[in-house]
Amino acid sequence: DAGVTQSPTHLIKTRGQQVTLRCSPKSGHDTVSWYQQALGQGPQFIFQYYEEEERQRGNFPDRFSGHQFPNYSSELNVNALLLGDSALYLCASSLVSGSTDTQYFGPGTRLTVL
Amino acid sequence: DQQVKQNSPSLSVQEGRISILNCDYTNSMFDYFLWYKKYPAEGPTFLISISSIKDKNEDGRFTVFLNKSAKHLSLHIVPSQPGDSAVYFCAVSPNTGFQKLVFGTGTRLLVSP
Repeated sequence: DAGVTQSPTHLIKTRGQQVTLRCSPKSGHDTVSWYQQALGQGPQFIFQYYEEEERQRGNFPDRFSGHQFPNYSSELNVNALLLGDSALYLCASSLVSGSTDTQYFGPGTRLTVL
Repeated sequence: DQQVKQNSPSLSVQEGRISILNCDYTNSMFDYFLWYKKYPAEGPTFLISISSIKDKNEDGRFTVFLNKSAKHLSLHIVPSQPGDSAVYFCAVSPNTGFQKLVFGTGTRLLVSP
């Protein structure tokens, strides 16, 4: 049973660039959520996708956007990168129609902005 | 405005003893509560959860207690093992559908042999 996978593992970008992170949900899951974890902090909710639409959004600027594909995989895009965007980006998947929709996390993508 | 607080950044316990990790939240509308464990270079791993209609949930060595009147959540690990050494995050959600998790800042647990 494949868990949540994310790519790439690490990424280094410079300020002003754009980045795309990818996530494949756990087999059988239909919902993908993205979180940002800064050093020493807990993960912060960015947004959530279900049925290829953004369902909920946290307190992040429009520079952060996403997409969900028909196979439930998802992308997170960040434009005009800032130094403060350096963080671990976590993807979590869940099954909304299940008895519990506990979120299961991938290993994350470590983004460094120079 | 920190809605979920884990006031102990770290906790050291001897193997075989009980580990108690605490979490406080501010919003009484939170309905679902979870604990995750995180090892370095890995994503958070789901441990155990509890809904607001219960005050206790057990799974093996792990027990979560919920005190709604105090807005307090705790995780008990008995007996603690060295492999339990990790960062533990509590997370809360306003509902069980389309969870939008709000995390605490984590407590680093070290279990020594």
